Amino acid sequence: GNSVTQMEGPVTLSEEAFLTINCTYTATGYPSLFWYVQYPGEGLQLLLKATKADDKGSNKGFEATYRKETTSFHLEKGSVQVSDSAVYFCALRVGGSQGNLIFGKGTKLSVKP
Amino acid sequence: EAGVTQSPTHLIKTRGQQATLRCSPISGHTSVYWYQQALGLGLQFLLWYDEGEERNRGNFPPRFSGRQFPNYSSELNVNALELEDSALYLCASSSPGGINTEAFFGQGTRLTVV
Repeated sequence: GNSVTQMEGPVTLSEEAFLTINCTYTATGYPSLFWYVQYPGEGLQLLLKATKADDKGSNKGFEATYRKETTSFHLEKGSVQVSDSAVYFCALRVGGSQGNLIFGKGTKLSVKP
Repeated sequence: EAGVTQSPTHLIKTRGQQATLRCSPISGHTSVYWYQQALGLGLQFLLWYDEGEERNRGNFPPRFSGRQFPNYSSELNVNALELEDSALYLCASSSPGGINTEAFFGQGTRLTVV
């Protein structure tokens, strides 16, 4: 079946630290990959996406590269800010009747000043 | 342009009652998805509607049901409410265009079952 596995949180970092949140997936076929972010008390927002192998999605200083050989889509940011504190979800989407987004369990990030 | 809107924002029901949650997608979007987010973390897929048809269903009992109307809005019905149904219910919509299109989420309905 199709699934997404994210590293367990919570992750606590100091401001300006480097961030990596690991995400691996299992999929039948060739999925599109997404990172969503949920700020406290809000719904989910798309952070970035990649639709084919070796694509790099980027937004707001965050990056993730679609690695087909390792079935991974790790999220990185070179220097986190307090305002990046949120829950981050990795997700995939395949075609056909399974075409809904499938999410990982989420990783809570707390950034301290 | 208006985003995905959900109503009500909060809903308190008694165990055994029925709850109805509503979702209006972004204009032009034909797909609507429902997710349950319990304990503030983790999204469980409930239902996917596209062009008025149910396309996929998550691993939930039949008392979770829904429908999509001709204007693409949708409602989620939960019958015979149980305490563990207390959660944030999120609706999302997407445009036609296949797996590369992202889904846009509403702010959710917080359902509390007492």
